[in-house]
Amino acid sequence: AQTVTQSQPEMSVQEAETVTLSCTYDTSENNYYLFWYKQPPSRQMILVIRQEAYKQQNATENRFSVNFQKAAKSFSLKISDSQLGDTAMYFCAFMKYYTGANSKLTFGKGITLSVRP
Amino acid sequence: KAGVTQTPRYLIKTRGQQVTLSCSPISGHRSVSWYQQTPGQGLQFLFEYFSETQRNKGNFPGRFSGRQFSNSRSEMNVSTLELGDSALYLCASSFSGRDHTGELFFGEGSRLTVL
Repeated sequence: AQTVTQSQPEMSVQEAETVTLSCTYDTSENNYYLFWYKQPPSRQMILVIRQEAYKQQNATENRFSVNFQKAAKSFSLKISDSQLGDTAMYFCAFMKYYTGANSKLTFGKGITLSVRP
Repeated sequence: KAGVTQTPRYLIKTRGQQVTLSCSPISGHRSVSWYQQTPGQGLQFLFEYFSETQRNKGNFPGRFSGRQFSNSRSEMNVSTLELGDSALYLCASSFSGRDHTGELFFGEGSRLTVL
């Protein structure tokens, strides 16, 4: 079984600054995906960034980037130039890779990020 | 393209009753999964359906069930409701073809309150 741990329940950052959200996971699988999902208050969850375990290069999406350390089983999210719209709950999630795909995500407990004006 | 649609958005039930929640996936997505979100337990996987077959199931009692129709729409049912079933129930759809990316697309959820 897989586990995902987000040890920080809350973080706060000043607008325009950079913040890093931590995530560690445990698995015996070799092929898998890691995700960061964002859930704004009272709004639907959306994907922020995705990393395939077989890729050594860290994924980047505009202001969002990850630091993926496969051996250490660590997957942190860096948000640069934080914006008020980044205020949300962020979930780190694991998905085992199947050729035919699957939809079972294992989520961390989440972290509430507040961006201060 | 329309997103994932869940109905109803809010509902209140009493203990012992049953509830049915509905989910319409994004057009072309054949996989639908359900998650329960509570403050205490976080997000937990309930089950996944693909082509009308349950492909995966989480660790929930048999009171939680689901099904998927030929048009990929899905329903989940909770019977004999307990107070602890109060939660936000999220549905997600995904593309399960050869070039799948693993990304799930979530609906806004159905918030169930059990009194």
